[in-house]
Amino acid sequence: TQLLEQSPQFLSIQEGENLTVYCNSSSVFSSLQWYRQEPGEGPVLLVTVVTGGEVKKLKRLTFQFGDARKDSSLHITAAQPGDTGLYLCAGDSGSARQLTFGSGTQLTVLP
Amino acid sequence: GAVVSQHPSWVICKSGTSVKIECRSLDFQATTMFWYRQFPKQSLMLMATSNEGSKATYEQGVEKDKFLINHASLTLSTLTVTSAHPEDSSFYICSVATGPAGSPLHFGNGTRLTVT
Repeated sequence: TQLLEQSPQFLSIQEGENLTVYCNSSSVFSSLQWYRQEPGEGPVLLVTVVTGGEVKKLKRLTFQFGDARKDSSLHITAAQPGDTGLYLCAGDSGSARQLTFGSGTQLTVLP
Repeated sequence: GAVVSQHPSWVICKSGTSVKIECRSLDFQATTMFWYRQFPKQSLMLMATSNEGSKATYEQGVEKDKFLINHASLTLSTLTVTSAHPEDSSFYICSVATGPAGSPLHFGNGTRLTVT
């Protein structure tokens, strides 16, 4: 069974602070996706990273895929209350199996 | 991408009754849809894979007779929670895959089920 562990599980910070969320596994993934879910809604895809070592930026969000394609991180600069939500990573094993979702990180950004 | 509509967005029912949740792919013909269950502030738990025109594939531990899935067309999958009990109260979310296994998913907005 492939597991994706996210840390921290819960994070509460003040507006303007920076933060990093980690997504770790002992398994190799052909690609990894990050989603954000707001209360009462479904998750929305933020980014897909495919290449080991890849870095992608989406405004104040920076996503990195580990060189060995076993882990990923999401860094948010100058967090805003609108960034509040549940962040989920999801890995594609490339073996025609469905996505494996991470354990989730609940982020709260206080104004 | 795909636009996914889920209905109802919330429902309250009494123990012992059945509830049907609809998941529609509005702009994409989906041969495969997925049903997830989610507890507050936790990750998604895959319940089953809905296959158009054939039986759904259920994950281990999910009772197929309790959670009936029908995927009769390329745009509609339904999940029926039969003989609902309070422990079935949860957030149910469907999603559509627009590519092969492992491709990014497009999610509905979920259904909050409360069984009293």
